[in-house]
Amino acid sequence: GEDVEQSLFLSVREGDSSVINCTYTDSSSTYLYWYKQEPGAGLQLLTYIFSNMDMKQDQRLTVLLNKKDKHLSLRIADTQTGDSAIYFCAENIMNYGGSQGNLIFGKGTKLSVKP
Amino acid sequence: NAGVTQTPKFQVLKTGQSMTLQCAQDMNHNSMYWYRQDPGMGLRLIYYSASEGTTDKGEVPNGYNVSRLNKREFSLRLESAAPSQTSVYFCASIIGDVGELFFGEGSRLTVL
Repeated sequence: GEDVEQSLFLSVREGDSSVINCTYTDSSSTYLYWYKQEPGAGLQLLTYIFSNMDMKQDQRLTVLLNKKDKHLSLRIADTQTGDSAIYFCAENIMNYGGSQGNLIFGKGTKLSVKP
Repeated sequence: NAGVTQTPKFQVLKTGQSMTLQCAQDMNHNSMYWYRQDPGMGLRLIYYSASEGTTDKGEVPNGYNVSRLNKREFSLRLESAAPSQTSVYFCASIIGDVGELFFGEGSRLTVL
């Protein structure tokens, strides 16, 4: 079945760049997403990329998509302590009934930023 | 504040008890979802409602029922709780073509 894989932990120093990687299996996904979860809170959409794009930049965030390898990455430039959170990669699975919110999530990457 | 509101935020049940998790959104979204989050498992879709009056199963529907009471409210019911249903439950609603999910703060359920 469909699956999304990502590493579980990443530790960086404040001011460095963080790169979180993700692989997915369903090549028919329309959108791929990065969600952020802070402790004790729900998930918030951080950014997304349409499947016909290979890069998207939004301020400190850069998303790279390699459709051939089914690889998605999120780069956070100048990482701050406030970026410490769990980051989830997700893909849209339309064949669950055609609803846009039927997402397959990865297990999440816990980003720790050290001062 | 506009958004997705879940109640209760915390609940402890004994095996076999029943309960209903409530969810309401005030953003006039058509589609609503229930996900569960378990350590090391990410989020998994339990049920969803693409529009008022319709509900469909997601990846892990066994042991749950849902009701889309009106456009605002989507409830999740556990008829006979089991320890395997200990989890954090998130309700979400969606807007737009991109498929951005708006999540509630979660309901933390422990079944003893």
